Amino acid sequence: QLQLQESGPGLVKPSETLSLICTVSRASISSNNYYWGWIRQPPGNGLEWIGSIYYSGSTYYNPSLKSRATLSVDTSKNQFSLKVTSVTAADTAVYYCARQRGRTCSGGICYSGPIDPWGQGTLVTVSS
Amino acid sequence: QSVLTQPPSASGTPGQRVTISCSGSNSNIGSNTVNWYQQLPGTAPKLLIYDNSQRPSGVPDRFSGSKSGTSASLAISGLQSEDEADYYCAAWDASLNGAVFGGGTQLTVL
Repeated sequence: QLQLQESGPGLVKPSETLSLICTVSRASISSNNYYWGWIRQPPGNGLEWIGSIYYSGSTYYNPSLKSRATLSVDTSKNQFSLKVTSVTAADTAVYYCARQRGRTCSGGICYSGPIDPWGQGTLVTVSS
Repeated sequence: QSVLTQPPSASGTPGQRVTISCSGSNSNIGSNTVNWYQQLPGTAPKLLIYDNSQRPSGVPDRFSGSKSGTSASLAISGLQSEDEADYYCAAWDASLNGAVFGGGTQLTVL
């Protein structure tokens, strides 16, 4: 059963860079048709998709993060990572990594690509 | 402000049927399939319905999904206390070129 585990600092100072790593186990990150993504959830609020990356390095990002987010992948370690620069208190959230099926279109139907499974999540607090 | 619109709350009594709506636009629900997620208190979200109406292995058939035009619905029949959770719809948005979520619906079993 595929498992994902987030790791990284739980506390980041304002204006600094948030860095998280997701380690994938029991499956290859180089799987065809699957992207690897990050989703965050501020305390007491809903889910926000941050972006996703293919093992080749192809990426999609949420435009709302205005280029502050960068995803990268390390196939040799079966890991992918997230960096968010110039963080503020608004970036305080539980950060989840997950596998996302790639978006495909076939027979006139475009499939959104479900996100499954998810890591357990890690809380990152932005505070001085 | 979420791209997809869900009611913030819903409720029902055990055994009842409850539906949760999700409204979008032509660039997301209108042109892509919808997925639903269940988030039990204190846990990570879990895929509940994918491709509008498909259930992953292990999800009871009490849960069903449908889509029409730019709206989608999640139905839960035979409501149980363990269904008390937050439910989120999601879809790909072709204009934003990314995935978008609804704001979530908190389901209470009375």
